[in-house]
Parts: sequence; structure tokens; C-alpha cells
Amino acid sequence: AQSVTQLGSHVSVSEGALVLLRCNYSSSVPPYLFWYVQYPNQGLQLLLKYTTGATLVKGINGFEAEFKKSETSFHLTKPSAHMSDAAEYFCAVSGGSARQLTFGSGTQLTVLP
Amino acid sequence: GAVVSQHPSRVICKSGTSVKIECRSLDFQATTMFWYRQFPKKSLMLMATSNEGSKATYEQGVEKDKFLINHASLTLSTLTVTSAHPEDSSFYICSARDGVAEYNEQFFGPGTRLTVL
Repeated sequence: AQSVTQLGSHVSVSEGALVLLRCNYSSSVPPYLFWYVQYPNQGLQLLLKYTTGATLVKGINGFEAEFKKSETSFHLTKPSAHMSDAAEYFCAVSGGSARQLTFGSGTQLTVLP
Repeated sequence: GAVVSQHPSRVICKSGTSVKIECRSLDFQATTMFWYRQFPKKSLMLMATSNEGSKATYEQGVEKDKFLINHASLTLSTLTVTSAHPEDSSFYICSARDGVAEYNEQFFGPGTRLTVL
């Protein structure tokens, strides 16, 4: 069984400020972890993923996330927010026989001018 | 990157009619496809997993007779919402994955907005 908890359904930051979106997971097997971004009325775009190896993962658009096994966390960060980063962000864990994705509830990121 | 398309992007239908949504992998062979449903301001809920040439595996609580899934080829899966009702109105998203290797990621389609009047 696996689950994902995203703390904070809404996060607001000023343009240029640090972005921190929190994700904690539970998994009965070694997890594969993902962050996706969704713009209104669109599908999901992969930002980054952790499978094995280096625990600090760099993704597209300047985002990165660190896998911390001891804390069962996979928080997403970006040093400087841009207006175009405003979107819905989903953390997901992969598991099960078909490696299905289980999604968190999502975090709506608002970037203030 | 791999591209997944969905058709139609939007559909409005009358209650009681059936609607078919297509999901295609454009530049790779998708041995596994997934269908999700997303309510407004909510997360994605996995409805079913389909492997090419075999019956779909539905998640608990999803009516298989209501949501018919066919994965007849390595590039096409279809979701048919039968006898649609207003409560079936939602955003339906498919994803596709090539092969069964553990690291293979899912590529998502752009979604289909279904409105049942």
C-alpha cells in the first residue's frame, strides 16, 4: 500500500522568493517518487522523478527535490519563483504490481507580483 | 519526449447517451495505459489500468460496466462512458507507459472535459 500527503493545499509566494512544496509518502516497497505540474485544463507534465541513486534530483524549470528516506519526504523547491510557475503541483509515488501512481491531493501555487 | 493525445478535448452530451474518449500514444508503443478521473480542485483518481490485448483492471468502486475500457492496440486505448449522467461530468485523463520496466514513466494526455447535461 502507498499514500502521499501534500501539506498545504494552497501556497503563495512573491515573485523571486523561495518555493517550497511539501510531500510526505508511505510505501511498503522502495518508492519511486514524482512531481508533476498541471496548468488549467491541461494534463500533467513531469517536473522530476526519483528512482534510485542520488537523493537530490534536479528537474525542469529550475525545480529540484530531495529524497529523505528517514523523513519519508520528497519536498519540491525552487530558489526563485517566477510568475509562470503558478499552477497546481502534484506529488506521486509509484508502486504496486503495475507500478501505478498514487497522487497527493495537490498544492495550488500562487505567485504574487 | 513521448507524446500522448486525447480526443476529444471537450464533449458535451445529453444524459443517457454514451461517450467515447480516445487516448493515443503518438511516438511509442504503450503496453500499459491508465485512465484517471479528476474532479474540480481535486487530485487524480486512478480508474483503471489496461494492458494491450487484455481486460482492464478496475480500481475498487469503479463500475466496469459503466466505464468500458478497450486497449486493442499498442497505440490506442478508449474509454466509453455508457449511459452518461450529470454525475459523470469530470475531467478524464489518460496516461501511457512503454514496456514494463520499473523506471518507465507515464506520459499524460491533455485530458478530456466531459459535461453531461
